[in-house]
Amino acid sequence: GQQVMQIPQYQHVQEGEDFTTYCNSSTTLSNIQWYKQRPGGHPVFLIQLVKSGEVKKQKRLTFQFGEAKKNSSLHITATQTTDVGTYFCAGPANSGYSTLTFGKGTMLLVSP
Amino acid sequence: KAGVTQTPRYLIKTRGQQVTLSCSPISGHRSVSWYQQTPGQGLQFLFEYFSETQRNKGNFPGRFSGRQFSNSRSEMNVSTLELGDSALYLCASSHGRSSGANVLTFGAGSRLTVL
Repeated sequence: GQQVMQIPQYQHVQEGEDFTTYCNSSTTLSNIQWYKQRPGGHPVFLIQLVKSGEVKKQKRLTFQFGEAKKNSSLHITATQTTDVGTYFCAGPANSGYSTLTFGKGTMLLVSP
Repeated sequence: KAGVTQTPRYLIKTRGQQVTLSCSPISGHRSVSWYQQTPGQGLQFLFEYFSETQRNKGNFPGRFSGRQFSNSRSEMNVSTLELGDSALYLCASSHGRSSGANVLTFGAGSRLTVL
């Protein structure tokens, strides 16, 4: 079945360092979404990428969608303690409708 | 506008019991999806309801069921609880109009502990 894989599973950085998480799908995606879940919280939508090779920025966060629309990345420049959380990528499930297949997420810890 | 509301937020049950969780979506959203989140398995899709009809179902046993009411509120039920059902159950609402492109708004979740 469809799989969405993320690496790394976990990363611990010092405040001010950069961070990148990678997402790979076993199938071509029509779009990819990124969510953030703070510790003890729930996933919150960050962004959706639709076009091949698309790059979008949100302040210190840069999101990319691969040319083949099977991979994506999230890069955070100069991390802050507020960036702590788990970042999930998600793509439309083969079964369609509103169903998303989520990666297992990358947990980011930031030490001050 | 109000977000997605889930109740109860926390509950403890014993093996063999059953549980019902409730979800009120964002006003105007007709799609409600349920996900189970565990440390080992991540976010796993349970089912999706749209206009009172289940239109998608994940790979969970029949002990997991749900329904949606005419006001789009949804409930999920787990019968004959097992220890492995301990998890955070997340409800997410969306417009549900665009297949594959709907953005999900999650509720705070219902944390179920089975003893």
